[in-house]
Amino acid sequence: AQSVSQHNHHVILSEAASLELGCNYSYGGTVNLFWYVQYPGQHLQLLLKYFSGDPLVKGIKGFEAEFIKSKFSFNLRKPSVQWSDTAEYFCAVIAGYALNFGKGTSLLVTP
Amino acid sequence: DAGVIQSPRHEVTEMGQEVTLRCKPISGHDYLFWYRQTMMRGLELLIYFNNNVPIDDSGMPEDRFSAKMPNASFSTLKIQPSEPRDSAVYFCASSFSGGRGNEQFFGPGTRLTVL
Repeated sequence: AQSVSQHNHHVILSEAASLELGCNYSYGGTVNLFWYVQYPGQHLQLLLKYFSGDPLVKGIKGFEAEFIKSKFSFNLRKPSVQWSDTAEYFCAVIAGYALNFGKGTSLLVTP
Repeated sequence: DAGVIQSPRHEVTEMGQEVTLRCKPISGHDYLFWYRQTMMRGLELLIYFNNNVPIDDSGMPEDRFSAKMPNASFSTLKIQPSEPRDSAVYFCASSFSGGRGNEQFFGPGTRLTVL
């Protein structure tokens, strides 16, 4: 069965620090990969997605992710975080039509 | 487009009561998903529909949970009887099979508290 593993459960960064959140998945077939963000009290929003082509994907708000097939990884990065990036981040894989989410990473950005 | 609409946004009920959560997907979308979010288990898929037909309900925790989609613009998730451990945020999402990457669009969620 497919699964998604997010390595960091809680991350605390100062503003302007660089961010990298790890995500690994286990699935042998063709996958579509997603990062969703959930701001406090809000619903899930799509940050970026990968389904084919350039393995470096750019999303909204300066986020990017790199798909490394050999490592089954899809890590999320941002060179300089802002206080407004405080949120929970979910990596997800889709095979077929249903999303399989990781447990999420809670990011706190301090001023 | 209004996006995925869920109601109610908050529900507080007592153990043993019936709870009905509602979802209106984005017009034209042919897939509808129900997820549950808890601190302990994270985001879990409960059930999903394609063209109003349930495809996979293996995530439904037990017989107390049921979901229906009587038409393309409406779905319900019912819990009867409710229990405190059902307290969670329930999200509905929809997607269009003709789109690239099968992106799902999420509603605002229903925060359910069972006392």
